[in-house]
Amino acid sequence: DAKTTQPNSMESNEEEPVHLPCNHSTISGTDYIHWYRQLPSQGPEYVIHGLTSNVNNRMASLAIAEDRKSSTLILHRATLRDAAVYYCILRAQGGTASKLTFGTGTRLQVTL
Amino acid sequence: DVKVTQSSRYLVKRTGEKVFLECVQDMDHENMFWYRQDPGLGLRLIYFSYDVKMKEKGDIPEGYSVSREKKERFSLILESASTNQTSMYLCASRLGGGKTNEKLFFGSGTQLSVL
Repeated sequence: DAKTTQPNSMESNEEEPVHLPCNHSTISGTDYIHWYRQLPSQGPEYVIHGLTSNVNNRMASLAIAEDRKSSTLILHRATLRDAAVYYCILRAQGGTASKLTFGTGTRLQVTL
Repeated sequence: DVKVTQSSRYLVKRTGEKVFLECVQDMDHENMFWYRQDPGLGLRLIYFSYDVKMKEKGDIPEGYSVSREKKERFSLILESASTNQTSMYLCASRLGGGKTNEKLFFGSGTQLSVL
């Protein structure tokens, strides 16, 4: 399975934009890039996904590098409720293509 | 929204006991998953199921089994619980159909302590 690398933690001030990086240098051509986040005491929740083009939704934006070896999740205005662990995930290929393999993610702290 | 319900939020069991963790989803999803989450290790896939009575091993299936007799319910079974199975267990479901862009929906988790 292609792996992802994320920083262990990041900090942001409230109301400021946050850029969460993810490296996936061994990504294959048909791997989708998914982002999930896990709020305290909850299960992970879907944030956004993409293949090649940048994507926007009500929660965040996803910027994908031209060579697809890295991507960045962008929270345009961080709030205290965005404090969570953010996971960057690639969809596995092959016979077990249905599974999503999570890493350890980036813990985002948001301060006033 | 999809609701994934795990039967217990906290569970305490003794070493050697048989433990059942239950998960129910209400959106007719084909795929269901069991993960465990440990500090510093992230989420690791134990087993998943494509459909009723179908199952596949994930990355860490040793010491676990699963049952999927009905589409909405996916059970994780610890035949003889051990202390190294103390963990947060998370169930998830997905619509299915083999599409690459499908979302996973997670339950709130069951914190299992084996003493």
